[in-house]
Amino acid sequence: GAVVSQHPSRVICKSGTSVKIECRSLDFQATTMFWYRQFPKQSLMLMATSNEGSKATYEQGVEKDKFLINHASLTLSTLTVTSAHPEDSSFYICSARTNTGPEETQYFGPGTRLLVL
Amino acid sequence: DQQVKQNSPSLSVQEGRISILNCDYTNSMFDYFLWYKKYPAEGPTFLISISSIKDKNEDGRFTVFLNKSAKHLSLHIVPSQPGDSAVYFCAASRRNAGNMLTFGGGTRLMVKP
Repeated sequence: GAVVSQHPSRVICKSGTSVKIECRSLDFQATTMFWYRQFPKQSLMLMATSNEGSKATYEQGVEKDKFLINHASLTLSTLTVTSAHPEDSSFYICSARTNTGPEETQYFGPGTRLLVL
Repeated sequence: DQQVKQNSPSLSVQEGRISILNCDYTNSMFDYFLWYKKYPAEGPTFLISISSIKDKNEDGRFTVFLNKSAKHLSLHIVPSQPGDSAVYFCAASRRNAGNMLTFGGGTRLMVKP
C-alpha cells in the first residue's frame, strides 16, 4: 500500500505552547487528508477533513481555532495544536487518499503522540 | 452516540484456533464495512472489507461476515497466529456520503503460542 508519514512521532511540550504535526503522502497525491485523535483504549475519532487548497471541514465539537489545519499541497497537510493544554495530550493520526478513491485507499500515518505538561 | 461498537476490549486465543472479533453498528445508512489492524505506535492498516450487498467476504485466513438485519459484523481469523496479535478496529462508511470512516473502539487480540 501507499506510504503516509507523520512528523514528529512524539512530542512533549509545555502548556500554552503550539505544536505543529506534519502529515505527508510519500508516493501518491492526496487530494483529501483526514485528522484523527485517539485517546487511550478508545476509538479513532475523526477531527477534520481537508481537501487540498480549501478550508478544512471540522467535526462537531472540534474547535477549528484550536486545531489549525493546512492542506497546502497534494502531499502535505499540517495540524497545529494552538495553546496546547494537558487535556490535548493524545495520539493524533492522519490519513490520506485520492479524492475519488474507495475507503481502502485511505492510508494512515503512524501517528504522533502529544504530551502536554 | 457511538455508531460503531466493539463490545469486547480484548480477546485471548490459542495459536491455531479461530479468533472471532465482533462489531455492532446502529446507523442503518452504513453500506460499507472494513476491518483494520493496528500495532502500537503505528497507524491502522487495512485488512478486509465487505459491502452491504454481501454477507461474506474471504481473503486467506480472514473472513468477514455481515448480518444486516442484526447490524452486526464479525471478523474470523483461522488459524490464528502469534503475529496476528494487535488491536483490530472495525469501521463503517456511507459510500454516497463521502466515504468517511466511523470507527469502533477496537479489540485487542492476543494469540498465545
